[in-house]
Amino acid sequence: NAGVMQNPRHLVRRRGQEARLRCSPMKGHSHVYWYRQLPEEGLKFMVYLQKENIIDESGMPKERFSAEFPKEGPSILRIQQVVRGDSAAYFCASSPLQGGEETQYFGPGTRLLVL
Amino acid sequence: GENVEQHPSTLSVQEGDSAVIKCTYSDSASNYFPWYKQELGKRPQLIIDIRSNVGEKKDQRIAVTLNKTAKHFSLHITETQPEDSAVYFCAALTGGFKTIFGAGTRLFVKA
Repeated sequence: NAGVMQNPRHLVRRRGQEARLRCSPMKGHSHVYWYRQLPEEGLKFMVYLQKENIIDESGMPKERFSAEFPKEGPSILRIQQVVRGDSAAYFCASSPLQGGEETQYFGPGTRLLVL
Repeated sequence: GENVEQHPSTLSVQEGDSAVIKCTYSDSASNYFPWYKQELGKRPQLIIDIRSNVGEKKDQRIAVTLNKTAKHFSLHITETQPEDSAVYFCAALTGGFKTIFGAGTRLFVKA
């Protein structure tokens, strides 16, 4: 059973470009969460999605950031017109969130560097 | 709003000593409390969790206690080893199924 997959693992972008981060949840998990982690800091909640639905996006900036989890394929976190402050590690986690199983399992993260 | 406070931010112990990390949460509807360990450059990994119908849970050298009335929970690591050195995060699953993380505790175990 493959774990949570994220790609790319490292992404370098110039200011103004778009960054697209992908997350494939564990098999059987229909709930995906995205977090941002700055160096030496904690995990900041960004968005919580189920298949084809955004459940809670209260931690995601209103501008330039968007997320989706289509019926088929991975969840995608999209950052438009990146700025240097977007440089961080972005982790996704997945959970079955059913049958009393709430544990979130994390992917390896995507480290975004904006030049 | 929903919040999880974690203390201390840094903890240094001698190998073999115990380490205790404490967290408090604000959402009284929270009923699931996981703890994650994150080594440098790696993903957070679940080490133990506790649900609100349980006051204490133990797994070898790791134990977690929960006081729902006071809304706080703690991680206890006994007989610490150098490989326990990492950042530890507590978390609480809110009533809205959003997980809020504490700011983390950087644990150093000196050999």
